[in-house]
Amino acid sequence: ETGVTQTPRHLVMGMTNKKSLKCEQHLGHNAMYWYKQSAKKPLELMFVYSLEERVENNSVPSRFSPECPNSSHLFLHLHTLQPEDSALYLCASSQGKGTGNEKLFFGSGTQLSVL
Amino acid sequence: GQSLEQPSEVTAVEGAIVQINCTYQTSGFYGLSWYQQHDGGAPTFLSYNGLDGLEETGRFSSFLSRSDSYGYLLLQELQMKDSASYFCAVGNNLFFGTGTRLTVIP
Repeated sequence: ETGVTQTPRHLVMGMTNKKSLKCEQHLGHNAMYWYKQSAKKPLELMFVYSLEERVENNSVPSRFSPECPNSSHLFLHLHTLQPEDSALYLCASSQGKGTGNEKLFFGSGTQLSVL
Repeated sequence: GQSLEQPSEVTAVEGAIVQINCTYQTSGFYGLSWYQQHDGGAPTFLSYNGLDGLEETGRFSSFLSRSDSYGYLLLQELQMKDSASYFCAVGNNLFFGTGTRLTVIP
């Protein structure tokens, strides 16, 4: 248990559905991240929030929409996804401001399948 | 831009020593980190090198040479539970390599 909880663990959705991924950190950290992990590819940084303010948006398609209502919660809203969006979506948190090479604490991820 | 190179797979015998190399290119250097990820699990932090040299944490050590843009993770006294993927990461907000899948055999 890393102190970062993600729900759901698994999600299957159609291309026309709208769903949300949830992440909660119990570590008192200031920064939260969304990463995408596809098979045979490196972890790809999607978004970074520092103290609830988005500080990084890594050219992610608009069908992915993050939300950070407070420093402990992070959401990823999904709509009209494509089959190539099927991947493991990992949430992470860090103590600092979300810059530099910070020690990340990851959740177990949501395995997403888009049909 | 940023890029990382590490071997895709390594196999080693239980009790042995294995070294996983990582070479990097990055526009801004903020140190080199290593993470471990078991199948179906979350990546977990192993080690960080901000300066040249060796950092030791139990059976695991990590080395950095900034002049060579190179680092490695050294795992000693390998155990079956060390079978996992190992990622090096650099840069602002952490750019990750594709990972090295380590298989420990009896």
